[in-house]
Amino acid sequence: RKEVEQDPGPFNVPEGATVAFNCTYSNSASQSFFWYRQDCRKEPKLLMSVYSSGNEDGRFTAQLNRASQYISLLIRDSKLSDSATYLCVVNPGDGSYQLTFGKGTKLSVIP
Amino acid sequence: EPEVTQTPSHQVTQMGQEVILRCVPISNHLYFYWYRQILGQKVEFLVSFYNNEISEKSEIFDDQFSVERPDGSNFTLKIRSTKLEDSAMYFCASSGGRVVPGELFFGEGSRLTVL
Repeated sequence: RKEVEQDPGPFNVPEGATVAFNCTYSNSASQSFFWYRQDCRKEPKLLMSVYSSGNEDGRFTAQLNRASQYISLLIRDSKLSDSATYLCVVNPGDGSYQLTFGKGTKLSVIP
Repeated sequence: EPEVTQTPSHQVTQMGQEVILRCVPISNHLYFYWYRQILGQKVEFLVSFYNNEISEKSEIFDDQFSVERPDGSNFTLKIRSTKLEDSAMYFCASSGGRVVPGELFFGEGSRLTVL
């Protein structure tokens, strides 16, 4: 069974803090990896794709460890607007466009 | 900014009734999807649609479900005889042609409540 596991949180952090989320996936053949953000009762929105070499987008850094089947997201200098649920998402590859979502990690940034 | 639009935003129906959820994907996108999210649970894949046919479907997408692209803009999900367990938020999504699988644009969702 293809699963994506995340720590559900919640993570309650003060503004300006650095916070890291982790995710593991069970399908070793998975090809593409993503972090999505979901605000309460809203649709998921793509935050960033995750590349083998790691990638950074402003305050957000994503890392992929294929050997350990592990993905991470680091948020630096947290803002109140970062409060949301962060979804780890995996595509199995092999021509499939299907996505497997983790249940998400909830982040609350506190003033 | 182009967006995926969905109607209705909320539908309440009686068990056994047919429901049609509608979506207008982003106009130059080629791949269309339906996902659902039961309250408090993870987002789950239902079906993908490309070139006017289903390309993949999950175990959830049984004979009670169907999808259609009746014209050049709309993409619909039909549930023939709703069950209580069909209550969920249904998200439509689309993606462009030359894109990494997984970079999807989601609509705001249609909340279905089956009584």
